[in-house]
Amino acid sequence: DVKVTQSSRYLVKRTGEKVFLECVQDMDHENMFWYRQDPGLGLRLIYFSYDVKMKEKGDIPEGYSVSREKKERFSLILESASTNQTSMYLCASSLPPRGSSYEQYFGPGTRLTVT
Amino acid sequence: RKEVEQDPGPFNVPEGATVAFNCTYSNSASQSFFWYRQDCRKEPKLLMSVYSSGNEDGRFTAQLNRASQYISLLIRDSKLSDSATYLCVVNPAQGGKLIFGQGTELSVKP
Repeated sequence: DVKVTQSSRYLVKRTGEKVFLECVQDMDHENMFWYRQDPGLGLRLIYFSYDVKMKEKGDIPEGYSVSREKKERFSLILESASTNQTSMYLCASSLPPRGSSYEQYFGPGTRLTVT
Repeated sequence: RKEVEQDPGPFNVPEGATVAFNCTYSNSASQSFFWYRQDCRKEPKLLMSVYSSGNEDGRFTAQLNRASQYISLLIRDSKLSDSATYLCVVNPAQGGKLIFGQGTELSVKP
């Protein structure tokens, strides 16, 4: 069974704080992803990584950075949290796609509130 | 125009009803297609892939129309446990990046 874990289920931070969200997967997946999910907007991709020390910007990378020093771990960093970063953050991992056979496995999410 | 568009609902149906969700995508070069299910306050999980010839998994049938860039999900004999948000998902290229629709909420009532 694939397991993706995230460091916190709920987090409350103040504006301007540096925030670290950690994600760990135990299935030796090459790909890892960070999304945020907001009502009416669905899931939006922030950053992704296809390998250790590799990262690529998603659709909304502004205000975020990532780190992938080990294959199983992908960290999302908010350098200076702002109230518009209040959201549900979801991490996912996957093997590379093989034709139409492809699945991303999600962690339980971290609900971040920035006050 | 959004890359993947869905009717957000909510769809409120009685148990036993048949319900259909539709989804359109904008990138005609999209490679593969999926439906994910997300329960309230839970993470999304793959429900089924969508193949060009259409495919069925029990009470669930998925169809793809590449010419119209349209995907559908049909649920027959709805159960209370089918209540969830259904996400239409598209893989636009050969890589692993997915584009998610905003989801369609289904509520099945007794």
